[in-house]
Amino acid sequence: GDSVTQMEGPVTLSEEAFLTINCTYTATGYPSLFWYVQYPGEGLQLLLKATKADDKGSNKGFEATYRKETTSFHLEKGSVQVSDSAVYFCALLLSGGYNKLIFGAGTRLAVHP
Amino acid sequence: EAGVTQFPSHSVIEKGQTVTLRCDPISGHDNLYWYRRVMGKEIKFLLHFVKESKQDESGMPNNRFLAERTGGTYSTLKVQPAELEDSGVYFCASSPQGFTGELFFGEGSRLTVL
Repeated sequence: GDSVTQMEGPVTLSEEAFLTINCTYTATGYPSLFWYVQYPGEGLQLLLKATKADDKGSNKGFEATYRKETTSFHLEKGSVQVSDSAVYFCALLLSGGYNKLIFGAGTRLAVHP
Repeated sequence: EAGVTQFPSHSVIEKGQTVTLRCDPISGHDNLYWYRRVMGKEIKFLLHFVKESKQDESGMPNNRFLAERTGGTYSTLKVQPAELEDSGVYFCASSPQGFTGELFFGEGSRLTVL
């Protein structure tokens, strides 16, 4: 069935390090892809999205490129900050008029000064 | 503008008891969703309301779960009787008409069943 697989966490980095969080998906058709972030004590919020192959979503220094050939949507940031510490969720929206997101298990990121 | 609010933030109950979770979506949002995250695993879809109507309840685990949305405003999710495997974080989310994939989430209600 349709699903999202993320790398297991926690990911622990020092400030200014490079970040990659892997996300791969299985889906029929041409899904849209999303990254959501949950900061401590808050609800999930949309970080970025891409709606078709080769699209790059970007926000707050984070980027992810929709790679249809590898069914991937890896999240990257060149220089993380302590304030980026959060749980990151990859998600997909199936094409064809569906109205629900399918989420991965989440990856916790801890950034230390 | 107020965001999505959920109550209670944490509930601890004994197996066999009843719990009711409440969600107040962002005002004017027709779409309301319930999701659940168990033991740090995937956030799984439970159901979707459009206004007061259930659009999709394919993710509801069994008939111990009952969701309602009164007058298309707030929603409740009742678990009766609760079982150990119902423990987890229940998220509510809302979105306006014309779903684009952006959901606005509440902070979640953590349910612990002992």
